[in-house]
Amino acid sequence: EIVLTQSPDFQSVTPKATITITCRASQNIGNALHWYQQNPGQSPKLLVKFASQSISGVPSRFSGGGSGTDFTLTIRSLEPEDAAVYYCHQSGILPHTFGQGTKLEIK
Amino acid sequence: EVQLVESGGALVPPGSSLRLSCAASGFSFDEYAMHWVRQAPGEGLEWVSGINWNGGTTGYADSVKGRFTVSRDNAKNSLYLQMNNLRSEDTAFYYCAKDISSDFWSGWFDPWGQGTLVTVSS
Repeated sequence: EIVLTQSPDFQSVTPKATITITCRASQNIGNALHWYQQNPGQSPKLLVKFASQSISGVPSRFSGGGSGTDFTLTIRSLEPEDAAVYYCHQSGILPHTFGQGTKLEIK
Repeated sequence: EVQLVESGGALVPPGSSLRLSCAASGFSFDEYAMHWVRQAPGEGLEWVSGINWNGGTTGYADSVKGRFTVSRDNAKNSLYLQMNNLRSEDTAFYYCAKDISSDFWSGWFDPWGQGTLVTVSS
């Protein structure tokens, strides 16, 4: 199965900063990589589809990039409500797999 | 508004069975594949199973293959997960999620339900 490795596992940042989370796939998955945000006590919410395609209703501060094996999620001008765990998910090769998650803390 | 509502979670002893349900509304249920994804408390996400639009094709994670069975009733807009021979490592929140397409092998999951907790313990 495809292993997705996210980095970092945890990051603490100040409001208005910009962060980039990376997701590396163990095999080439093209652009079949999606990003989710999970707020405490809630279910995951889709942020980005097919590596870089935006989702209606998601702030433009969230953007994705990459292809093949290396992907990024960039969050600009961080706000307190962005404190959450972020997951990448690949749908290129069954079984679907997820990264281990990146916990983001806003100081 | 698309809504997914899971039910059926409970505290059960190892070796027992449990059936989860997911009631869907706000979209044409019979046009979309569906998934079950689980999350152990404090842990990450694990895909459990997927089913295509008409139930004709299903897929499972190796960790549940042979013990769990996914099914759907399009007339009732409902998705199910029959879980047999439960183990302590099956303890998790179980989410149902809608696929973007009619097949379950290539899309993303949106939206997700709120989850139902299954606890396997003696």
